Amino acid sequence: DADVTQTPRNRITKTGKRIMLECSQTKGHDRMYWYRQDPGLGLRLIYYSFDVKDINKGEISDGYSVSRQAQAKFSLSLESAIPNQTALYFCATSDGVGTEAFFGQGTRLTVV
Amino acid sequence: GQSLEQPSEVTAVEGAIVQINCTYQTSGFYGLSWYQQHDGGAPTFLSYNALDGLEETGRFSSFLSRSDSYGYLLLQELQMKDSASYFCAVEDGGATNKLIFGTGTLLAVQP
Repeated sequence: DADVTQTPRNRITKTGKRIMLECSQTKGHDRMYWYRQDPGLGLRLIYYSFDVKDINKGEISDGYSVSRQAQAKFSLSLESAIPNQTALYFCATSDGVGTEAFFGQGTRLTVV
Repeated sequence: GQSLEQPSEVTAVEGAIVQINCTYQTSGFYGLSWYQQHDGGAPTFLSYNALDGLEETGRFSSFLSRSDSYGYLLLQELQMKDSASYFCAVEDGGATNKLIFGTGTLLAVQP
């Protein structure tokens, strides 16, 4: 099984719908991140969490919310999806400063 | 603000050496990392530099100059499988030292 698992892997949804992307990890890491990737723009940080009671906004948090249900689970929600949220979304975990970040396989989201 | 700049594309031939540069501007700094990504797959960790100098791992080396806010990834003996996107990333220090990525460099290795 993968260390970092994202579900779903692909999703097509309609404008205005609420959608949740889920991430779970077996690494035992405290730090979890959500990024979105668009062509030419790299990986942009949406939200991050350093433990269950800690939630922080990243560079592009507008239109998104997150929930850290447990150390192992970090969910990203789009309350009312819009077409410019069409992107590849990645969840990542790390064990602290200077350590390797582990990524999930990504969720390809299309908003029509 | 925070920014990391990399060239958008680099092309090289098999067996050659290529250097991918990264300059950064952040409110704080702990270290510079490099990640590789093939065709929209999961990025994977390559290297980390916290101190000035060169770190070598097989065919890949990474360099950091903290005083110049600059680093590079050096790939030697290029192989076709090295064709991928390469991202530099920094832990930006401050109260939260979050992990911020550059825009990525697409490396195309030609026969």
